[in-house]
Amino acid sequence: QAGLTQPPSVSKDLRQTATLTCTGNTNNVGNEGAIWLQQHLGHPPKLLSYRNNNRPSGISERFSASRSGDTASLTITGLQPEDEADYYCSAWDSSLTTWVFGGGTKLTVL
Amino acid sequence: EVQLLQSGGALLQPGGSLRLSCAASGFSFSNYAMSWVRQAPGKGLEWVSGISDTGGSAFYTDSVKGRFTISRDISKNTLYLQMNSLRAEDTAVYYCAKCAGNREWSHIDYWGQGTLVTVSS
Repeated sequence: QAGLTQPPSVSKDLRQTATLTCTGNTNNVGNEGAIWLQQHLGHPPKLLSYRNNNRPSGISERFSASRSGDTASLTITGLQPEDEADYYCSAWDSSLTTWVFGGGTKLTVL
Repeated sequence: EVQLLQSGGALLQPGGSLRLSCAASGFSFSNYAMSWVRQAPGKGLEWVSGISDTGGSAFYTDSVKGRFTISRDISKNTLYLQMNSLRAEDTAVYYCAKCAGNREWSHIDYWGQGTLVTVSS
């Protein structure tokens, strides 16, 4: 089943800003928007953002999400060493009636 | 505090069966949809199945349709995934997950710790 498209890796310097992208189609990202997850190695994923730019309690304001058409974005400002992780986007696909995931972006903080 | 305690991981041969369990606590289990998501070693996340709050509806990814069955026991606050006719490509860490709403298309807001299922001869 078709998934969402994310760049495999992004590298940014400490304290800089990283923007991660996630491209889908009108049945998923373009329809319901995307959620963003952070996963550190060996740990379960953690929800960062839902309905495009709502943060669960406890998630830093440094994480913000947006959507333009079929592409969702996650912006992380003031990068910290602990932000180094894998980031996944996901969306409900109304045509497939499944959740679809992106392949994940490995963020490296230099 | 939401807790999802998983059990049932194992090493099995191709064609085998296994039932995963996920004991939920810290929230009203009967009011929320639940999901299973898996992650093959070194790979990304893949949604496997979701079930509504009442258990009256469920959805599956194509690769597991007809082989896996999701269910829930509200009296035991437990989610299950019955996996039959297992294949090598089913090898993964399986995560139990709570959805934020009562239907399968609600996003996941909490994740279990994961349990490893290995299918190999």
